[in-house]
Amino acid sequence: IAGITQAPTSQILAAGRRMTLRCTQDMRHNAMYWYRQDLGLGLRLIHYSNTAGTTGKGEVPDGYSVSRANTDDFPLTLASAVPSQTSVYFCASSDSWEVGELFFGEGSRLTVL
Amino acid sequence: GQNIDQPTEMTATEGAIVQINCTYQTSGFNGLFWYQQHAGEAPTFLSYNVLDGLEEKGRFSSFLSRSKGYSYLLLKELQMKDSASYLCAVRAGDYKLSFGAGTTVTVRA
Repeated sequence: IAGITQAPTSQILAAGRRMTLRCTQDMRHNAMYWYRQDLGLGLRLIHYSNTAGTTGKGEVPDGYSVSRANTDDFPLTLASAVPSQTSVYFCASSDSWEVGELFFGEGSRLTVL
Repeated sequence: GQNIDQPTEMTATEGAIVQINCTYQTSGFNGLFWYQQHAGEAPTFLSYNVLDGLEEKGRFSSFLSRSKGYSYLLLKELQMKDSASYLCAVRAGDYKLSFGAGTTVTVRA
């Protein structure tokens, strides 16, 4: 089934550790996004990529980095995890950055202790 | 940035109608979206409005008034499977999509 695959599904991480959340899509979408979802705050944009080779900062980019080496993959890295980064992370994609219909992955639940 | 407000929770009876309101303030406007998210699952796209008026799609309808910064999602003939969170999202002038905190709808028998 075509769509977005995220890994890991769930992870418990010690503070200070480095962590990469993987995201792969097979829809050949140009735009990809990383959101975090916290209770009462909704989905907040961390980073985005309008096309392979380009990335941009969203609403809450501090402590996170991304890369977009090709169309399909958009990994999110926490260089040194902190407890406030405990959240559910959703990767999403859209056909282009002008299109607002996003397709979401199933999410990665990250707990930083 | 965007300021998007929607009620936190709503409860309704199976077969009834529920209206979820969303108000927003944004720098530029390029569309309003509604997403559905069941507990523990990913959000899925429901509807899109860019012009004023009502868009109907089966049991779900979405309305937009750009001058008032207001939208609503109308769910008719409620079913138990409609119990979920409904997310209002606004696309600003820079085409970035910002989400409200979501409205949790509980459908009771």
